[in-house]
Amino acid sequence: GNSVTQMEGPVTLSEEAFLTINCTYTATGYPSLFWYVQYPGEGLQLLLKATKADDKGSNKGFEATYRKETTSFHLEKGSVQVSDSAVYFCALSVGGATNKLIFGTGTLLAVQP
Amino acid sequence: DGGITQSPKYLFRKEGQNVTLSCEQNLNHDAMYWYRQDPGQGLRLIYYSQIVNDFQKGDIAEGYSVSREKKESFPLTVTSAQKNPTAFYLCASSIRDRGETQYFGPGTRLLVL
Repeated sequence: GNSVTQMEGPVTLSEEAFLTINCTYTATGYPSLFWYVQYPGEGLQLLLKATKADDKGSNKGFEATYRKETTSFHLEKGSVQVSDSAVYFCALSVGGATNKLIFGTGTLLAVQP
Repeated sequence: DGGITQSPKYLFRKEGQNVTLSCEQNLNHDAMYWYRQDPGQGLRLIYYSQIVNDFQKGDIAEGYSVSREKKESFPLTVTSAQKNPTAFYLCASSIRDRGETQYFGPGTRLLVL
């Protein structure tokens, strides 16, 4: 079946450190891939997305590249800030006639000053 | 401003009681979704609707019911048959096509007294 696997957290980094959060997926067909971010007590916000192989999504200094050969969509940022502290979710949109999302379990990022 | 609103922010349920969570959107989206979020887990789909007067069960529909009488509204009822209702409930909407971004509301936290 379709699934998303994320690295477990929490991930604790110092300000200005490099961030990688791993995400791999299993899917039939050609899914679209997403990264969402959730700040404490809030709903999810789209961070970036990619709809086909080799596409790179980017936003607010975050990047992720859709790698079909390794079925991965790892999230990276060159220099994190305290304000980036949040839970990050990787998700895929399955094929067919619907826009259903399948989420990973989320990765908590804590950035220390 | 366009967006999704959920109410109430916090909801308390007594044993044997049905409660209804509100979700309204003014984004003119056809598709709407309800997710449940538990600590340490990703979001799980409860119900979704792609068009007015039609909805489908998601992965964990037991103990929940929905209606979609208007395009803008997709209320979720947590029935007394749901034995473990304590969770954070998130509503989302999107254009219906696969790969489109889902936009989330701020969530409702349901607690059992």
